[in-house]
Parts: sequence; structure tokens; C-alpha cells
Amino acid sequence: DQQVKQNSPSLSVQEGRISILNCDYTNSMFDYFLWYKKYPAEGPTFLISISSIKDKNEDGRFTVFLNKSAKHLSLHIVPSQPGDSAVYFCAASLGGGGFKTIFGAGTRLFVKA
Amino acid sequence: EAGVAQSPRYKIIEKRQSVAFWCNPISGHATLYWYQQILGQGPKLLIQFQNNGVVDDSQLPKDRFSAERLKGVDSTLKIQPAKLEDSAVYLCASSSRTGGGQETQYFGPGTRLLVL
Repeated sequence: DQQVKQNSPSLSVQEGRISILNCDYTNSMFDYFLWYKKYPAEGPTFLISISSIKDKNEDGRFTVFLNKSAKHLSLHIVPSQPGDSAVYFCAASLGGGGFKTIFGAGTRLFVKA
Repeated sequence: EAGVAQSPRYKIIEKRQSVAFWCNPISGHATLYWYQQILGQGPKLLIQFQNNGVVDDSQLPKDRFSAERLKGVDSTLKIQPAKLEDSAVYLCASSSRTGGGQETQYFGPGTRLLVL
């Protein structure tokens, strides 16, 4: 039962262009959504989050959009940089991020110089 | 601020053997999580502690896995006996609640386990 799905295993983008990573979820009870970034041999690092009462949250080059009616969220990276090359995990949780956190399988982003 | 510490970083054992992993969370973080990440998948929550009490262990295979968090600080996760399918990265994370009522988890580097 995959409650959080990232359907694209990988994505390749040219440096300077926009990267869009997508995530779908099935449980309408999730109230908090997060994106994590992971480099090889390291643990995931928190990137950006959004509460279910919002539809957009922006932090520098990173913006997360939430469409609750479609149960879909996306992460936009503008402009993309080679250092952004990593695996990105979408996660959803209850209780403001503190309970029942479920991760997607991840999308590997390649940013070409 | 020191991050989440885990040891060992790598472990190779044979099936039916036992293994233990250690985690020291960020100072002051009341909540501690253990995740299992199998190759090609996202992290799967095994157990969540709030101080030294268990909040959620619904996905912990209790016939072989056990975890404890004595004194509400560091934690150990044990597998006894190990199976081939336990080969994975075991991630520890900790969190604290912000003023906005939200929690962000901070992960350690993980322990990579290979069961032969």
C-alpha cells in the first residue's frame, strides 16, 4: 500500500533550467508534507515543507506547491545547479510532521552543466 | 550544533546472526525515529520514541527486531536473528517541535547492513 508515490525514478535537467519533481499521495488525512534531499552515503537532509492549509511555500530557489484536491505536490528548483544533483524524497505525515511519516521511493535528479 | 550520530557505519553479518545499531540524537530532541531503507525504496518507519516511550512501532517486525531508548537520549536497534531481507540502510532521525507546532526530522548518516 503505497500512500506516497513518486512515479519518476529519475529526471535530467540542464543547468539553469527549472527542475520539477512530482509526488502523489492517497491519504487525505496527511497534514504536513516535506521534501528531503539525499547525497550518496549520507542521510536525507530536510529541504522544504508545507502545511496542508497552504498551497505554496517558497525558500530561495525551492518552491513546493500543494494541490489538495488532486492529492498532488511538486517541488520546483529554479535555477537548477549541478550541486542539486541528488535523490529527492517526498514525505507526508500526520500531527504536523511528527507522526506516521511515509516516504516516497525517491526521484534521482541529474543537473547537467 | 552536532548532528545525529550513528554507529557502526557498515556491518556485514551472516544470516541468523545478531546485530545492534546505536544512535545518539541531536541534543534536546525528544523524538527519535528508526527507519529501514531498502535499496531503491524510500525510508520506512520502524519505530518512533517520544522521550523513552514508544509512540509507534506498528511496522517493527517484533519477532526479530527490538529497540530501546533508555533515559530518553540515545537508542539501540537490534536484529536477532537476521535474515537476508534485512539487508538495508538503517537510518536514525530525531526531531523537536517548533513554535509553529511542526516537526522536522534530522537524519543521521545511516548504518549499511549486509546479511549474507
